Amino acid sequence: AQTVTQSQPEMSVQEAETVTLSCTYDTSESDYYLFWYKQPPSRQMILVIRQEAYKQQNATENRFSVNFQKAAKSFSLKISDSQLGDAAMYFCAYRSASGGADGLTFGKGTHLIIQP
Amino acid sequence: ETGVTQSPTHLIKTRGQQVTLRCSSQSGHNTVSWYQQALGQGPQFIFQYYREEENGRGNFPPRFSGLQFPNYSSELNVNALELDDSALYLCASSLFQGRDEKLFFGSGTQLSVL
Repeated sequence: AQTVTQSQPEMSVQEAETVTLSCTYDTSESDYYLFWYKQPPSRQMILVIRQEAYKQQNATENRFSVNFQKAAKSFSLKISDSQLGDAAMYFCAYRSASGGADGLTFGKGTHLIIQP
Repeated sequence: ETGVTQSPTHLIKTRGQQVTLRCSSQSGHNTVSWYQQALGQGPQFIFQYYREEENGRGNFPPRFSGLQFPNYSSELNVNALELDDSALYLCASSLFQGRDEKLFFGSGTQLSVL
């Protein structure tokens, strides 16, 4: 079974600074997807960024980028120029690309605090 | 706004009762999945329905069941409620397009079992 570990229960950053959230995962598969989701107080999961394991290039979405290290099974999220609206719970998630309907496997989350 | 709505937003039940939670997916989405998020935890996959058939299930007992209807609505049913069933229940819909599948989540139903 796949597992996803987020070792930082809480992170704090000054507005406009850069912060990196860590995620490691364990799998025996070679083809899979990795995601970062944001969950604000509204509780709705919002997709931040998506990475396909077979792509070596790290995904970027505006101020959000990832550092995907497949051999190390590491998938960190970097948020540049942090904004107050970035404050939320952030979840790292894994999904197999095997074609089965296994759903997403989530980590326990990191609470991101933005200091004004 | 994801176009996925869940009802009710909050619900209180007592142990042993049965509950039905509802989800309305985006029009055209043929896949719906349900997740349970306990307090302080990440969501856990319950099951997935594709074209009205369950095609994937996580580590949840049979008292968790579901239905998906042709009108893009779906239900999660939980029988014989236990205290540990208290959680936020999220549904997510998608149009299965192979590698390009993208999930759209609702805001969840907060279930409290007393």
